[in-house]
Amino acid sequence: AQSVTQLDSQVPVFEEAPVELRCNYSSSVSVYLFWYVQYPNQGLQLLLKYLSGSTLVKGINGFEAEFNKSQTSFHLRKPSVHISDTAEYFCAVSEMRGGKLIFGQGTELSVKP
Amino acid sequence: GAVVSQHPSWVICKSGTSVKIECRSLDFQATTMFWYRQFPKQSLMLMATSNEGSKATYEQGVEKDKFLINHASLTLSTLTVTSAHPEDSSFYICSATGQVNYEQYFGPGTRLTVT
Repeated sequence: AQSVTQLDSQVPVFEEAPVELRCNYSSSVSVYLFWYVQYPNQGLQLLLKYLSGSTLVKGINGFEAEFNKSQTSFHLRKPSVHISDTAEYFCAVSEMRGGKLIFGQGTELSVKP
Repeated sequence: GAVVSQHPSWVICKSGTSVKIECRSLDFQATTMFWYRQFPKQSLMLMATSNEGSKATYEQGVEKDKFLINHASLTLSTLTVTSAHPEDSSFYICSATGQVNYEQYFGPGTRLTVT
Protein backbone atom coordinates (compact mmCIF):
# COMPACT_ATOMS: atom_id res chain seq x y z
CA ALA A 1 0.00 0.00 0.00
CA GLN A 2 1.12 3.51 -0.72
CA SER A 3 1.73 6.10 1.94
CA VAL A 4 3.14 9.59 2.11
CA THR A 5 4.83 11.21 5.08
CA GLN A 6 5.44 14.91 5.31
CA LEU A 7 7.98 15.24 8.04
CA ASP A 8 7.16 18.76 9.15
CA SER A 9 3.64 19.88 10.06
CA GLN A 10 4.67 23.53 10.30
CA VAL A 11 7.58 25.42 8.79
CA PRO A 12 8.05 29.05 9.82
CA VAL A 13 10.54 31.01 7.74
CA PHE A 14 11.48 34.61 7.14
CA GLU A 15 10.81 36.31 3.85
CA GLU A 16 13.55 35.85 1.20
CA ALA A 17 15.01 32.87 3.07
CA PRO A 18 15.27 29.47 1.39
CA VAL A 19 12.89 26.71 2.36
CA GLU A 20 12.66 22.95 2.02
CA LEU A 21 9.49 20.98 2.69
CA ARG A 22 10.18 17.31 3.14
CA CYS A 23 8.22 14.40 1.72
CA ASN A 24 8.87 10.69 1.88
CA TYR A 25 6.75 8.04 0.27
CA SER A 26 6.29 4.31 0.44
CA SER A 27 5.19 2.18 -2.47
CA SER A 28 5.90 -1.25 -3.87
CA VAL A 29 5.71 -0.05 -7.47
CA SER A 30 6.83 2.89 -9.52
CA VAL A 31 5.05 6.07 -8.58
CA TYR A 32 4.11 9.46 -9.83
CA LEU A 33 4.72 12.26 -7.36
CA PHE A 34 3.06 15.62 -6.92
CA TRP A 35 3.18 18.75 -4.82
CA TYR A 36 0.05 20.85 -4.38
CA VAL A 37 -0.56 24.15 -2.63
CA GLN A 38 -3.79 25.06 -0.87
CA TYR A 39 -4.73 28.57 0.21
CA PRO A 40 -7.38 28.96 2.94
CA ASN A 41 -10.83 27.73 1.96
CA GLN A 42 -9.73 26.94 -1.56
CA GLY A 43 -9.06 23.88 -3.63
CA LEU A 44 -5.65 22.58 -4.58
CA GLN A 45 -3.30 23.99 -7.17
CA LEU A 46 -0.60 21.85 -8.74
CA LEU A 47 2.91 23.16 -8.10
CA LEU A 48 4.84 20.45 -9.89
CA LYS A 49 4.89 16.77 -10.70
CA TYR A 50 7.32 13.97 -11.37
CA LEU A 51 6.19 11.41 -13.93
CA SER A 52 9.48 10.20 -15.39
CA GLY A 53 12.76 11.46 -16.76
CA SER A 54 14.85 14.09 -15.04
CA THR A 55 14.74 13.78 -11.28
CA LEU A 56 14.85 17.55 -10.79
CA VAL A 57 11.46 19.00 -11.50
CA LYS A 58 10.73 22.69 -11.79
CA GLY A 59 7.28 24.03 -11.09
CA ILE A 60 5.36 27.26 -10.80
CA ASN A 61 6.13 30.17 -8.50
CA GLY A 62 9.84 29.33 -8.38
CA PHE A 63 9.42 25.96 -6.67
CA GLU A 64 11.37 22.86 -7.56
CA ALA A 65 11.59 19.31 -6.23
CA GLU A 66 14.00 16.42 -6.57
CA PHE A 67 12.94 12.82 -6.87
CA ASN A 68 15.31 10.51 -5.01
CA LYS A 69 14.38 6.91 -5.60
CA SER A 70 16.93 5.40 -3.23
CA GLN A 71 15.72 7.58 -0.38
CA THR A 72 12.07 7.47 -1.52
CA SER A 73 11.89 11.21 -1.14
CA PHE A 74 10.47 14.10 -3.09
CA HIS A 75 11.43 17.25 -1.19
CA LEU A 76 10.14 20.64 -2.29
CA ARG A 77 12.46 23.64 -2.32
CA LYS A 78 12.40 27.33 -3.04
CA PRO A 79 15.54 29.50 -2.84
CA SER A 80 13.75 32.64 -1.68
CA VAL A 81 10.22 32.71 -0.31
CA HIS A 82 7.67 35.51 -0.36
CA ILE A 83 4.89 36.40 2.04
CA SER A 84 2.46 35.19 -0.61
CA ASP A 85 3.88 31.66 -0.34
CA THR A 86 2.19 31.29 3.04
CA ALA A 87 -0.16 28.33 2.54
CA GLU A 88 -0.61 24.63 3.15
CA TYR A 89 1.48 22.32 0.98
CA PHE A 90 0.60 18.73 0.22
CA CYS A 91 2.75 15.99 -1.22
CA ALA A 92 0.88 13.23 -3.04
CA VAL A 93 1.63 9.94 -4.75
CA SER A 94 -0.18 7.91 -7.37
CA GLU A 95 0.59 4.52 -8.85
CA MET A 96 -1.20 5.28 -12.10
CA ARG A 97 -1.27 8.26 -14.41
CA GLY A 98 -4.64 9.79 -13.71
CA GLY A 99 -5.19 7.45 -10.79
CA LYS A 100 -6.20 8.22 -7.26
CA LEU A 101 -3.89 10.34 -5.17
CA ILE A 102 -2.72 9.52 -1.68
CA PHE A 103 -1.87 12.69 0.20
CA GLY A 104 0.55 13.42 2.98
CA GLN A 105 -0.56 15.18 6.12
CA GLY A 106 0.35 18.59 4.81
CA THR A 107 2.93 21.20 5.81
CA GLU A 108 1.89 24.67 6.82
CA LEU A 109 4.41 27.15 5.47
CA SER A 110 4.34 30.44 7.28
CA VAL A 111 6.46 33.23 5.81
CA LYS A 112 7.16 36.11 8.15
CA PRO A 113 8.36 39.58 7.19
CA GLY B 1 -6.18 25.73 -18.53
CA ALA B 2 -8.56 23.07 -17.30
CA VAL B 3 -11.19 24.35 -14.91
CA VAL B 4 -13.28 22.42 -12.43
CA SER B 5 -16.16 24.06 -10.64
CA GLN B 6 -18.16 23.03 -7.62
CA HIS B 7 -21.60 24.12 -6.58
CA PRO B 8 -22.50 25.24 -4.05
CA SER B 9 -19.34 26.71 -2.55
CA TRP B 10 -20.89 26.48 0.89
CA VAL B 11 -24.09 25.03 2.26
CA ILE B 12 -25.77 24.78 5.63
CA CYS B 13 -28.36 22.08 6.17
CA LYS B 14 -30.29 20.64 9.04
CA SER B 15 -29.53 17.27 10.54
CA GLY B 16 -31.45 14.52 8.79
CA THR B 17 -31.75 16.26 5.44
CA SER B 18 -29.86 15.48 2.24
CA VAL B 19 -27.62 17.79 0.29
CA LYS B 20 -26.23 17.50 -3.23
CA ILE B 21 -22.88 18.85 -4.36
CA GLU B 22 -22.06 19.22 -8.04
CA CYS B 23 -18.66 18.95 -9.66
CA ARG B 24 -18.24 20.08 -13.26
CA SER B 25 -15.34 20.07 -15.66
CA LEU B 26 -15.92 23.26 -17.62
CA ASP B 27 -13.59 22.99 -20.58
CA PHE B 28 -12.62 19.35 -20.85
CA GLN B 29 -14.14 15.92 -20.68
CA ALA B 30 -13.39 14.10 -17.46
CA THR B 31 -13.22 10.35 -17.72
CA THR B 32 -12.66 10.03 -14.01
CA MET B 33 -13.68 12.19 -11.08
CA PHE B 34 -12.58 11.86 -7.50
CA TRP B 35 -14.24 13.02 -4.30
CA TYR B 36 -12.17 13.98 -1.27
CA ARG B 37 -13.06 15.07 2.22
CA GLN B 38 -10.96 17.41 4.30
CA PHE B 39 -11.40 18.18 7.98
CA PRO B 40 -9.98 21.42 9.39
CA LYS B 41 -6.20 21.46 9.52
CA GLN B 42 -6.05 17.97 8.06
CA SER B 43 -5.18 16.34 4.79
CA LEU B 44 -7.47 15.24 1.99
CA MET B 45 -8.95 11.79 2.33
CA LEU B 46 -10.16 10.09 -0.82
CA MET B 47 -13.78 9.04 -0.51
CA ALA B 48 -14.50 7.55 -3.91
CA THR B 49 -13.53 7.33 -7.55
CA SER B 50 -16.17 7.66 -10.21
CA ASN B 51 -16.00 6.89 -13.90
CA GLU B 52 -18.56 8.18 -16.32
CA GLY B 53 -21.40 5.73 -16.78
CA SER B 54 -20.35 3.27 -14.11
CA LYS B 55 -20.73 2.85 -10.37
CA ALA B 56 -18.36 4.65 -8.08
CA THR B 57 -15.60 2.82 -6.27
CA TYR B 58 -15.61 3.72 -2.60
CA GLU B 59 -12.62 3.71 -0.29
CA GLN B 60 -12.65 1.49 2.73
CA GLY B 61 -14.70 2.94 5.54
CA VAL B 62 -16.80 5.23 3.36
CA GLU B 63 -20.51 4.43 3.50
CA LYS B 64 -21.73 4.20 -0.08
CA ASP B 65 -25.38 4.43 0.98
CA LYS B 66 -24.70 7.65 2.80
CA PHE B 67 -22.49 9.31 0.21
CA LEU B 68 -24.18 8.75 -3.13
CA ILE B 69 -22.05 9.50 -6.14
CA ASN B 70 -23.36 9.83 -9.67
CA HIS B 71 -21.23 10.46 -12.75
CA ALA B 72 -23.84 10.75 -15.45
CA SER B 73 -21.80 12.59 -18.05
CA LEU B 74 -18.20 13.37 -18.94
CA THR B 75 -18.53 16.82 -17.39
CA LEU B 76 -20.64 16.29 -14.29
CA SER B 77 -20.41 14.26 -11.11
CA THR B 78 -22.57 14.72 -8.05
CA LEU B 79 -22.11 13.79 -4.42
CA THR B 80 -25.24 13.52 -2.30
CA VAL B 81 -24.87 13.37 1.45
CA THR B 82 -27.98 11.61 2.68
CA SER B 83 -29.45 11.97 6.15
CA ALA B 84 -26.71 14.39 7.08
CA HIS B 85 -25.40 14.56 10.63
CA PRO B 86 -23.19 17.19 12.27
CA GLU B 87 -20.18 14.86 11.96
CA ASP B 88 -20.58 15.07 8.17
CA SER B 89 -19.65 18.74 8.37
CA SER B 90 -16.49 19.08 6.35
CA PHE B 91 -14.85 20.53 3.26
CA TYR B 92 -15.60 18.39 0.21
CA ILE B 93 -13.32 18.69 -2.79
CA CYS B 94 -13.66 17.05 -6.17
CA SER B 95 -11.09 16.57 -8.88
CA ALA B 96 -11.33 15.55 -12.49
CA THR B 97 -8.90 13.81 -14.78
CA GLY B 98 -8.80 14.63 -18.44
CA GLN B 99 -8.22 12.28 -21.32
CA VAL B 100 -5.10 14.02 -22.60
CA ASN B 101 -2.47 14.35 -19.89
CA TYR B 102 -4.24 12.50 -17.09
CA GLU B 103 -3.53 15.32 -14.67
CA GLN B 104 -6.01 15.85 -11.84
CA TYR B 105 -7.63 19.26 -11.70
CA PHE B 106 -9.25 20.24 -8.44
CA GLY B 107 -12.43 22.12 -7.78
CA PRO B 108 -12.55 24.98 -5.27
CA GLY B 109 -14.31 22.88 -2.65
CA THR B 110 -17.68 22.94 -0.90
CA ARG B 111 -17.98 23.75 2.79
CA LEU B 112 -20.81 21.72 4.32
CA THR B 113 -22.14 22.58 7.76
CA VAL B 114 -24.80 20.38 9.28
CA THR B 115 -26.69 21.90 12.21
